[in-house]
Amino acid sequence: EVQLVETGGDLIQPGGSLRLSCAASGFTVSSDYFSWVRQAPGKGLEWVSVIYSGGATYYADSVKGRFTISRDTAKNTLYLQMNNMRAEDTAVYYCARGWGAFDHWGQGTLVTVSS
Amino acid sequence: EIVLTQSPDFQSVTPKEKVTITCRASQSIGSNLHWYQQKPDQSPKLLIKSASQSISGVPSRFSGSGSGTDFTLTVNSLEAEDAATYYCHQSNIFPITFGQGTRLEIK
Repeated sequence: EVQLVETGGDLIQPGGSLRLSCAASGFTVSSDYFSWVRQAPGKGLEWVSVIYSGGATYYADSVKGRFTISRDTAKNTLYLQMNNMRAEDTAVYYCARGWGAFDHWGQGTLVTVSS
Repeated sequence: EIVLTQSPDFQSVTPKEKVTITCRASQSIGSNLHWYQQKPDQSPKLLIKSASQSISGVPSRFSGSGSGTDFTLTVNSLEAEDAATYYCHQSNIFPITFGQGTRLEIK
């Protein structure tokens, strides 16, 4: 079964760090394109970052220098390391597969940044 | 950054009605425009890719058209289960961007 499962969401204080995981099944993280997309409460979708099959990475300006996308091929898992977090990073974070259109999405994990 | 502007923001429609949602890009994006449906407390679901390509498993009443800067998602003969928020998404150039969403309410 093709599936993406995100974990790691939590309540974190401003300035803190958190790492999200996205476990993939039914496809290989090293041979496909994966993005993180977030959705603040009651708001629309915002693309965060992408990692290409070749390893290249790109980021939204709002997270550049603070967030890092990576993958572990042995665990077939995608990660999003989030540092120096801000209140505006509060959102449900989804991982999604696809080059161009995102054809598979995880169920999301909630990150809340608050003191 | 490419800005995607959807219209309308909200529409209340009756079952079996035909609905059209538009997405306008601030600059040409070719056919690199995709449509998603998101129901409350669910993840987005891909409906149409590359402006007009259908997706396996998506009902045939959903269709897309357009290229360049103007795109349309059409839902023929709306059903109650189509109540959701719809988003367009461009993958032509970084940063990847989404439209603000169109919420469809079924009367």
